[in-house]
Parts: sequence; structure tokens; C-alpha cells
Amino acid sequence: SQTIHQWPATLVQPVGSPLSLECTVEGTSNPNLYWYRQAAGRGLQLLFYSVGIGQISSEVPQNLSASRPQDRQFILSSKKLLLSDSGFYLCAWSGRPNSNTEAFFGQGTRLTVV
Amino acid sequence: SQQGEEDPQALSIQEGENATMNCSYKTSINNLQWYRQNSGRGLVHLILIRSNEREKHSGRLRVTLDTSKKSSSLLITASRAADTASYFCATDARNRDDKIIFGKGTRLHILP
Repeated sequence: SQTIHQWPATLVQPVGSPLSLECTVEGTSNPNLYWYRQAAGRGLQLLFYSVGIGQISSEVPQNLSASRPQDRQFILSSKKLLLSDSGFYLCAWSGRPNSNTEAFFGQGTRLTVV
Repeated sequence: SQQGEEDPQALSIQEGENATMNCSYKTSINNLQWYRQNSGRGLVHLILIRSNEREKHSGRLRVTLDTSKKSSSLLITASRAADTASYFCATDARNRDDKIIFGKGTRLHILP
């Protein structure tokens, strides 16, 4: 069966420090991969979307970047964190386009920039 | 930008009552999905309705889709305390490379 792993669960980082959040998927190949950010009590904002290795679509201008070095690995990074980068980050995967499958989510990372 | 827009933003009802949440969206879609999120956790998929379907049931859940009005509703019948959560609609939009875009959600609170 398919599973998705996202870590760490919580992270406290100082302003100006780098960031690396990792997400891996098991049990499927060539998934669509997503990074979302959720502010407290708000909806999910799509940050990055990937349909294949090295193919990243950025949805909003920001201080973050994403990479997909392997088919089932999706990494969210920053060189220098800002206070406004605090939030709940969620990784997800879905099947190929037009396959009418749902998105499967990791448990999320609560990032606090201090 | 957000594709889906749920209403109400928050809903409190007595246990045993039915809860109805609505979602409106902007562009043509392949399908519409509803998810549930318990506080501080990841989202869990509840139900998917395709653009050529009008109604779908799953246990105590009933989803309707009106593509002419670009709207959907989620009905939870005989609500339970455990249904307390946030509920989100999401669309797999045809003109957005099939990316899954979420609405802002409805916070549902079931009162004992």
C-alpha cells in the first residue's frame, strides 16, 4: 500500500537559518507531489507542485524553494528563514493527471520561526 | 489563489443533527473532493465526485455537485462528537494542469 512520510513533525528555527523539510512516498511511482502551507485556522495554500523529477512549478513568489531529486522524494528548502515563513507545512501526493484519484497527505510539519 | 470557497466558515450544531457545508469554485473541473482535518494533523480524503456525477454517498456522507452553478455541498447526517473537525473542498481543475487546489475550509463543532 502507498504511504507518505513527512518529517520532522515540529521545528523551531531562528530567523535567517536554513530550512530543509523532506517528504517521501512509498508504494507508488511517478506521483504528482505537492507542498502546501496552512496558516493557523486557514485554508491550504499551494506552494509547489511537481509532475516529475526535476520538474517544479512554483505557485507563489516566496522565500522558499522545492526540489525533487528522486521520483518519490520532495524537499522544501529555504536559505534564510523569515518570521513570515512560520506555519503548518503539508506534503501530499496524487495519481497522474486525469486519473481522478485523491490526494494523500503527510502528517505535516509545524514550523515556528523565532 | 484559492479555487474553492466553503461556507459557512464555522458551524456549530447539536450532536445528532445534520451538518451541511457548501463549496463554490471558479473554473471547470475534472472532479471535486472533500477532505477532513483534525486539529494540527494532515488531511484525510472523504469522498470524490466526478464532474459528470451529481450525487454521491459514503456512509453518513452525502455530496452533491452542480457544475452549472459551480458548487458542491457536503451533508453529514446524524452528527457525532467525533465529526468535530475542519472540512475542505478541493478541485482538480482542468485549466490548472490538474493541480489540486483547496478552499479555506469550514470548521465544524459538534456540541454534546
